[in-house]
Amino acid sequence: EVQLVESGGGLVQPGGSLRLSCAASGFTFSNHYMDWVRQAPGKGLEWVGRTRDKASNYTTQYAASVKGRFTISRDDSKNSLFLQMNSLKTEDTAVYYCARRPVGPPGRYGQFDCWGQGTLVTVSS
Amino acid sequence: DIQMTQSPSSLSASVGDRVTITCRASQDIRNDLGWYQQKPGKAPKRLIYVASNLQSGVPSRFSGSGSGTDFTLTISSLQPEDFATYYCLQDSSYPFTFGGGTKVEVK
Repeated sequence: EVQLVESGGGLVQPGGSLRLSCAASGFTFSNHYMDWVRQAPGKGLEWVGRTRDKASNYTTQYAASVKGRFTISRDDSKNSLFLQMNSLKTEDTAVYYCARRPVGPPGRYGQFDCWGQGTLVTVSS
Repeated sequence: DIQMTQSPSSLSASVGDRVTITCRASQDIRNDLGWYQQKPGKAPKRLIYVASNLQSGVPSRFSGSGSGTDFTLTISSLQPEDFATYYCLQDSSYPFTFGGGTKVEVK
């Protein structure tokens, strides 16, 4: 069974840091680009960023709202995805989801065919 | 950034109704659009990809259409389990952007 399980969420003060993890199972993790998507309480979905696979040199993309503060990384040997969040702001409060991009051209297979259950990050003093 | 305008933001419908949700992109995104369903407290679930392709396991009452800037998600006969919030997503260019969501409620 394909599964993504996030962990690491919690309460952090403004200006603080937090590292989220996403454990993957049931598929060949190393073959997939992986993304983070967040959802503020009662709000819509916001794409946070992406890490590509080894073949694409693990390059990353970020939303402007987190660029320079958040870093996405992965450890293919442990089937794990990470989101290092620094200089956190109250507006970063959200449920953070990891999501998988299907293997193959996006023009044929699209994005985000599998999601984790999410982990809540609360930034508050 | 590409803006995705989704309408309506909410609608009330009855079981058996035909429901249509639209998404308009601020520029041409070809057919690089997906539709997602989200129920309260749950992760989103992909319904449609590349504008009109039905995700495996999703009931055939869901369909997607459109290309360029205008897209539609149709539920041909609303079922009790379909009351949820629906989002479109453009993946034509970075940053990927979602529509604001459409909440489908019981009439």
